[in-house]
Formats: sequence, C-alpha cells, structure tokens
Amino acid sequence: AQRVTQPEKLLSVFKGAPVELKCNYSYSGSPELFWYVQYSRQRLQLLLRHISRESIKGFTADLNKGETSFHLKKPFAQEEDSAMYYCALSTAGGTSYGKLTFGQGTILTVHP
Amino acid sequence: EAGVAQSPRYKIIEKRQSVAFWCNPISGHATLYWYQQILGQGPKLLIQFQNNGVVDDSQLPKDRFSAERLKGVDSTLKIQPAKLEDSAVYLCASSTRGGEQFFGPGTRLTVL
Repeated sequence: AQRVTQPEKLLSVFKGAPVELKCNYSYSGSPELFWYVQYSRQRLQLLLRHISRESIKGFTADLNKGETSFHLKKPFAQEEDSAMYYCALSTAGGTSYGKLTFGQGTILTVHP
Repeated sequence: EAGVAQSPRYKIIEKRQSVAFWCNPISGHATLYWYQQILGQGPKLLIQFQNNGVVDDSQLPKDRFSAERLKGVDSTLKIQPAKLEDSAVYLCASSTRGGEQFFGPGTRLTVL
C-alpha cells in the first residue's frame, strides 16, 4: 500500500526567505506525485505535478526516486504563499486511475 | 466554467442519525471521487466512480456508508447511522478520465 508522509505540521518563515516543504512517499510501483494547496477559505487545488516539471507561482518540486522524496521549494517566500500544502501520490495504471493518497499537510505561514 | 458543487455546506446531527450529502461534478467529467478529511489529516478517498460504476470503494465503511451516482452525473453519499468519529469534511472531486481532479467546497459534518 502507498503512503505519503509530511513530517512538518507547521512551517514558519519570513518574507523573502527560502522555503522547503518536505514530502516522502512509499510505493513499490511507479508513482505520480502532486502538490495541492488550500488557501484560506478556498477550495483545495492543484499546485503542480512532477511529470509537468514546471514552476508554478515560483514553486518547484523534484521527484527523487532514490530518496523517495518530492520536496516543494521556493527561493523567496511571499506572504500570499501562506496556506495549507498537501503532498499527494497517484498510482499509475490499474483500475484506480487517478486515486490520490494524501499526506497530513503542512501549514505554511510567511511573516512580513 | 462552473466548479464542483456540494450541498449542504454544513450539517450538525446527533449520533445514530442519518445524513446525506450531494455532489454535482463539472459538466463532462466522467470520474467522481468522495474523500473524507478528518481534522488534522489529509483527505482520504472513500469511493471513486467512473460514469455510474464504482471503480474503488476499498476504504468505504460499507456497514454505514453508501454512495450512488445514478445516470453518471450527480452523486449522493449517505451515512446511516452516524458515529462520533464520522465528524469530518466530506469533499467531492471530479475529473476527466485520468485528468486533474477539481474539488468542491466540501460539507462539514459534526456528529454530537
């Protein structure tokens, strides 16, 4: 069975500082990894996925299969980045196409 | 385009009562998901539909939870009878087959 672990429940940084939200996973197959974000009073939404290899709102994430990690990084945090961030994993193929397993989430607070 | 709609937004019931939640997915989305999000945890998939067929209900407590998606569009999730531990936010999401999942605003259930 697959599992996603986000070791930090809370993360606080100051504006302009680098930020890294950690995510580790366990899955024996070939995973798809995602980061989802939920801003205050908004819906859960996709931030980025590893197969697209693009930067969204300045955030990037690299899949490290050796370390089974998918950490989310941003070099200069902004106050508007304050939100709840979830790492999620999808198993490729099979009948459960698109099924997501979420981590526990990390609340990021960016102080002015 | 209109997003995923859910109702009610909030529901308070007493234990052993019944409750039902409704979800209207984005038009044209064949895949529909119901997630349960307990406070402090990430969303957990309860059931996945492809059109009106169940793809995955392995984590649905079938002794008390049921879900249907008649005509492959709207879906209802029912709990009968409710327990205290069912207090959570129930999220509905929809996607094209294998595509990005779009989430609704959720229904916050409190069981007293």
